[in-house]
Formats: sequence, C-alpha cells, structure tokens
Amino acid sequence: EVQLVESGGGLVQPGGSLIVACAASGFTFSTYAMSWVRQAPGKGLEWVSVITGGSATTYYADSVKGRFTISRDNSKNTVYLQMNSLRAEDTAVYYCAKDSDGITGEFDYWGQGTLVTVSS
Amino acid sequence: QAGLTQPPSVSNVLRQTATLTCTGNSNNVGYQGAAWLQQHQGHPPKLLFYRNNNRPSGISERFSASRSGNTASLTITGLQPGDEADYFCSAWDTSLRVWVFGGGTKLTVL
Repeated sequence: EVQLVESGGGLVQPGGSLIVACAASGFTFSTYAMSWVRQAPGKGLEWVSVITGGSATTYYADSVKGRFTISRDNSKNTVYLQMNSLRAEDTAVYYCAKDSDGITGEFDYWGQGTLVTVSS
Repeated sequence: QAGLTQPPSVSNVLRQTATLTCTGNSNNVGYQGAAWLQQHQGHPPKLLFYRNNNRPSGISERFSASRSGNTASLTITGLQPGDEADYFCSAWDTSLRVWVFGGGTKLTVL
C-alpha cells in the first residue's frame, strides 16, 4: 500500500525558513517523480514543484522560484521542500504527491498534508 | 501562470447527472488531456481519472471523463450524497514546463 507522510509544518515568521519532508513507502521510490502541491485555507490547489526520480530535473511554479528548493534522498525514501524568504501568501497545507509516471505523470497518491503558517 | 478554467459550482438533484468542465489551451489540456481529482472537505485530493480518461481501480463506473479539443469533461451519473465534493482538473503545460490546476468546482447534490 502506497503511503506518503508529510512532516515539518508549523508557524514561521515572514522572511523565515522551513523544511517540510515527505516519507514514502509501498512503492519503488527512486523510479517515480514526486511533487509538492499546496492549498491555502479555503482555496484551490496550487502546484509548487516537481523532481524526477534521480533528481536530475526539477521545475518550480513562478510564485516560489528562487525561494523554494525541492530535493530527495532515495536512500531514505524521502522528498523535501526547503522554503526560504517565506511570505504570508505561502500559508497553506503542503501536500506531497507521487507522480504516476515521469515528471508529467498524474498525481496518483497524496499524503495527508502538513500546515505551514507564515505570520508574525 | 494562468490556470485551467472550471465553473465554481455545479448542482443537480439526487440520482440525476452532473457534467463538470475544464478548459485550457493547446499546450496543456489540448496536448495530453487533463486528470481529475476529487476532494472531500477536510481530506486530501484523490485521483479520479488519468489524463487518458482511464479510472484508477476502485473508482465507480458512475464517473466518466472525456475531452474535446482544449476542454475536458467529467460526468457523474446517478448522483449520490457522497459525490458532494470539490473537483479539480490538472494538466502538464508542455510550453511553460509547469503543472496547472483548475480553480475547482464545488458539486452540490440537491
């Protein structure tokens, strides 16, 4: 059974940094791209970033480019999102999602999400 | 990065049919189609349809998906109270190299 478990969310001040992680199990982690998708309170889904299985390729939404960095450790079956220069508008539940195929595959499994709140 | 266009809300009567739409352009929906996700209040999204309009295992046959040009559609027949949820479409934009989502449609079963 595929499981994705996010961790690391919390309250951070504007301009601060935070790392969220997603531990995966139930599939061959290194062969699938992984994404982060966020959802602000009461709003829709916003894709944040994707990384290929071997970490060779990453893409970012314009809203986070230059501030967020996605990475993965295949030995630990974990994907990370390093978030710097955080803004109030980054407040959201951050979901990690498994891509069904390569970097353009659908998000076929989702974690429960971790809440990041940016506020003073 | 412009997203996909979905009507904010759709409603219909119990046991009737609802059709939700998702409009993009030739670089996203028109390129490889759109996936559909269902999200119940307080829960993470769940994949309903792959971009090729195939259902993952466990998804009811009351749900079907199709595409015509740059518009994808999700049809739900025999509406049930449990179908009340937010429905999102998503597609890879091959020009921008980003994933784009629709704003979501809130389905109400009357």
